[in-house]
Parts: sequence; structure tokens; C-alpha cells
Amino acid sequence: EVQLVESGGGLVQPGGSLRLSCTASGFTFSIYWMNWVRQAPGKGLEWVANIKPDGTEKYYVDSVKGRFTISRDNAKNSLYLQINSLRAEDTAVYYCARGSNYAYWGQGTMVTVSS
Amino acid sequence: QSVLTQPPSASGTPGQRVTISCSGSSSNIGNYTVNWYQQLPGTAPKLLIYSNNLRPSGVPDRFSGSKSATSASLAISGLQSEDEADYYCAAWSDSLNGRLFGGGTKLTVL
Repeated sequence: EVQLVESGGGLVQPGGSLRLSCTASGFTFSIYWMNWVRQAPGKGLEWVANIKPDGTEKYYVDSVKGRFTISRDNAKNSLYLQINSLRAEDTAVYYCARGSNYAYWGQGTMVTVSS
Repeated sequence: QSVLTQPPSASGTPGQRVTISCSGSSSNIGNYTVNWYQQLPGTAPKLLIYSNNLRPSGVPDRFSGSKSATSASLAISGLQSEDEADYYCAAWSDSLNGRLFGGGTKLTVL
């Protein structure tokens, strides 16, 4: 069974940092593009970033470029999102999703940016 | 405001057929296939339709998708109370190098 489990969210002050993790199981992690998608409270879905299977290509939505860094460790079946210089508008549930079709999603981890 | 436009709400009674539209442009829907995602209250999104009209294993055939030019539609026939959810369309965007989502449609089963 495919499983994606996010962790690392929490309450952080504006300007702070967090590292989100997504642990995958039930499939060959190393052959899939992986994504982070977020959803602000009461709002819609927004793609944030993705990373090629070998980690050599990474893409970001404009609003997070220079502040967020996506990475992966295929040996650990894990995806990461380092989020720096957090702003109130980054408050959201962050999901990891598999592949170009986002066929599988984790349960999400909540990031709250507030003083 | 999303580049993919969906109606914010839709409704129907049990057994009815409802459709949800998704309007884009030549830079997204016009050049790429469309996916649909269902998000039940308090849960993560789930892939409902991919490549315009294909259903992943386990998705009932009451759900169907179509695409024409720069627009797409999701149809739900034989509406059931458990279909009450938010529905999102999504299409690849060259400018993003990722999927662009519609704003979502909240479906209410009356």
C-alpha cells in the first residue's frame, strides 16, 4: 500500500524556519517526481515545488523562490521542504504528493506563521 | 485568483447528475491533460480523474471527465450524499513546471 506521511509542521514566528519531511513507503520512491502542495485555511490547493527522481531538477512557485528548498534522500525514501523567512501567508497545510499526476497524497502537516 | 476558473459552488439532489466546469487557456488546458481531485471534508485530496477522462482503480464510474479546447468538465451521475466535497481541476503549466489548480468547487448534496 502506498503511504506518504508528512511531519515537521508547527507554530513559528514570522521570519522563522521549519523543515518538513515526507516519508514514503509501499512504492519505489526513487523513480518518481515528488511534489509539495499547500492549502491555506479555507482556501484552495496551490502547488509549491517539485523535484526530479534523481534530485537534479527542482522547480518552485514564484512566491516561495529563494525561501523554500525542496530536497530528497532516496536511500531514506524521504522528501523534504526547508522553509525559511516564513510569512503569515505561508500558513497552510503542506501535503506531499507523488508523481506528475499527484496520484497519492499524504495527510498533510500544518504550518502556522504567527507572532 | 486562479488561472483555472471553476464555479465556487454546485448542488444537486440524490440521484441527480451534476457537472462542474473548469476553464483555462491555451497555455494550460489547451496544451495539456486535465486531472480532477476530490477533497472530502477534513481529508487530503484524492485523485479522481486523470488524463481528462481516466479513472484510477477504485473510483466509481459515476464520475467522468471530458475536455474540449481550453475547458474541461467533471460529471457526477447518480449523486450520493458521500459525494459532498470540494472538487479541484488541475492542468500542467509550462510557466510553473508544475500543476496549476482551479479555485475549487464546493458540491452540496441537498
